[in-house]
Amino acid sequence: NAGVTQTPKFRVLKTGQSMTLLCAQDMNHEYMYWYRQDPGMGLRLIHYSVGEGTTAKGEVPDGYNVSRLKKQNFLLGLESAAPSQTSVYFCASSQRGGVQETQYFGPGTRLLVL
Amino acid sequence: TQLLEQSPQFLSIQEGENLTVYCNSSSVFSSLQWYRQEPGEGPVLLVTVVTGGEVKKLKRLTFQFGDARKDSSLHITAAQPGDTGLYLCAGGRSSNTGKLIFGQGTTLQVKP
Repeated sequence: NAGVTQTPKFRVLKTGQSMTLLCAQDMNHEYMYWYRQDPGMGLRLIHYSVGEGTTAKGEVPDGYNVSRLKKQNFLLGLESAAPSQTSVYFCASSQRGGVQETQYFGPGTRLLVL
Repeated sequence: TQLLEQSPQFLSIQEGENLTVYCNSSSVFSSLQWYRQEPGEGPVLLVTVVTGGEVKKLKRLTFQFGDARKDSSLHITAAQPGDTGLYLCAGGRSSNTGKLIFGQGTTLQVKP
């Protein structure tokens, strides 16, 4: 099993450009999450999904959209990139949403917005 | 405002030393998880504690959940260079959303 994979690994965008980050998991997990990680800030939840076809806002959703059309995939979109969105983006998945569930993380996507 | 405050934010020690990392909050959590992250990789779960006062041991690592479930600590005995990394605590609340609140992390460097 590959676990959680993310595409691309690294990307440079100009302000105003758009892009989509792809997350795929092969563990048949119901829940999926998108986080961003900035120095000294830990991980902050952008959006999450509790099942195929459902999405919900997290802590910092502004400027991002998501879709979960297939259970194994969770897409994160930036419609008009801004320098403030320069960050490392992590996708994670878990079998369920309970407080004892393990979240499995992908290797991250490094995004630089100029 | 960081809901979960970790201290220290950075720690550099010699191999063989002991250390403790703290994760504090004014809020109650149903669970507290500790993750370890190496450069260029995603976080990996080390442990989950759910009961106030609970202590769990993982080889040289000891994790404790505060009695009031507002704080946690991670103690490493005889640190080794392989322990180097970013340690993150994350709090979970009673819900079925799976949402976690992460601390800002503690960067540990263990020098040989």
